[in-house]
Amino acid sequence: GIQVEQSPPDLILQEGANSTLRCNFSDSVNNLQWFHQNPWGQLINLFYIPSGTKQNGRLSATTVATERYSLLYISSSQTTDSGVYFCAVVTGGFKTIFGAGTRLFVKA
Amino acid sequence: GAVVSQHPSWVICKSGTSVKIECRSLDFQATTMFWYRQFPKKSLMLMATSNEGSKATYEQGVEKDKFLINHASLTLSTLTVTSAHPEDSSFYICSARDKVLGPRQFFGPGTRLTVL
Repeated sequence: GIQVEQSPPDLILQEGANSTLRCNFSDSVNNLQWFHQNPWGQLINLFYIPSGTKQNGRLSATTVATERYSLLYISSSQTTDSGVYFCAVVTGGFKTIFGAGTRLFVKA
Repeated sequence: GAVVSQHPSWVICKSGTSVKIECRSLDFQATTMFWYRQFPKKSLMLMATSNEGSKATYEQGVEKDKFLINHASLTLSTLTVTSAHPEDSSFYICSARDKVLGPRQFFGPGTRLTVL
């Protein structure tokens, strides 16, 4: 089946720093979503981005479907950005496969 | 819009009892619902996919007699963990999609199950 790899697995940032999270996938996908899981477990939709670039405030994402990767940019990080960031892809059979996640901790 | 709720948010039960978790789409019709399981500090693993009015499709390795899924209406799916044991303790998350809204999935807040 399709493989979804996220990097880095863990990331510690000083407040105000920028970062880039990467998601590689092994096969063509119907779409791709980025999520932030908060400390209480709630998954927050960040981007639905099967291709192209989108921006929402300090966050932006780019997916290059032909090269099978997506990037999530976090600028001017804040402590509230801490948590786990998941990339999830939807296969041709409409199954959603999650990557292992990137655990982000932003220090004050 | 596109809100999914789960109930209960957490539950503690004794070994051998059954636990039912509800997943509701509040403002859209969920033609397809998904159930995921997440172990501590791990990713989400898809357990099963259910379409309204039909039997759920379980992923390999998921016991369908242990995890009963019912998708009786376009706004409600239930997951029943039968004869729960401590190894069933986990965080269970549902998601829903509506073909009108496209392939995007909308996730519930999750249910934390602890079996003593």
